[in-house]
Amino acid sequence: AQSVAQPEDQVNVAEGNPLTVKCTYSVSGNPYLFWYVQYPNRGLQFLLKYITGDNLVKGSYGFEAEFNKSQTSFHLKKPSALVSDSALYFCAVILRSAGRRALTFGSGTRLQVQP
Amino acid sequence: DGGITQSPKYLFRKEGQNVTLSCEQNLNHDAMYWYRQDPGQGLRLIYYSQIVNDFQKGDIAEGYSVSREKKESFPLTVTSAQKNPTAFYLCASIPDRGGGGYTFGSGTRLTVV
Repeated sequence: AQSVAQPEDQVNVAEGNPLTVKCTYSVSGNPYLFWYVQYPNRGLQFLLKYITGDNLVKGSYGFEAEFNKSQTSFHLKKPSALVSDSALYFCAVILRSAGRRALTFGSGTRLQVQP
Repeated sequence: DGGITQSPKYLFRKEGQNVTLSCEQNLNHDAMYWYRQDPGQGLRLIYYSQIVNDFQKGDIAEGYSVSREKKESFPLTVTSAQKNPTAFYLCASIPDRGGGGYTFGSGTRLTVV
């Protein structure tokens, strides 16, 4: 089984400050990990992924995430938040060797960036 | 431009009616998925198909049905057996050899009236 936890329903940060959105995962093997962003009444947009290799992954719009195998975490980060970053963020996981190739999503974290 | 088209954007269903949500992709992707999104619950997998004429139940398949007669199309029917169908429905696809992520449609919001 695979699961994802996003422990914070909402994260508030001031514009220009660094932001972190937390994600931990549970899989019985090696994972692929993803971050997606969703704006109101829209589908999800891909931000970044970890497949293998460098634990620090850089993605779209200045976001990055660090894969930490010992802590089973994949936190999303950005050095300087923008008001336009305000949205709903989802972490997702799939087991690399999964027969069922379907992502499992966390419950989402709403990011609010105040001007 | 390639992408996934979901229609309609908004759909209203009366009690006891079946309704069908459309999902079409021109990305030549092999696998297609349907997810349901409810507030505070993230996305839950309804059905998925990795190849034409084959599909598998996800975690919440009861009250739903699908077909995959063409590679490009993966319609979802919400039947009267689904007791709480009001939700946001998202379709997604991925190439067969994708280590990458899904491409999502823009969603259909279904409301029971």
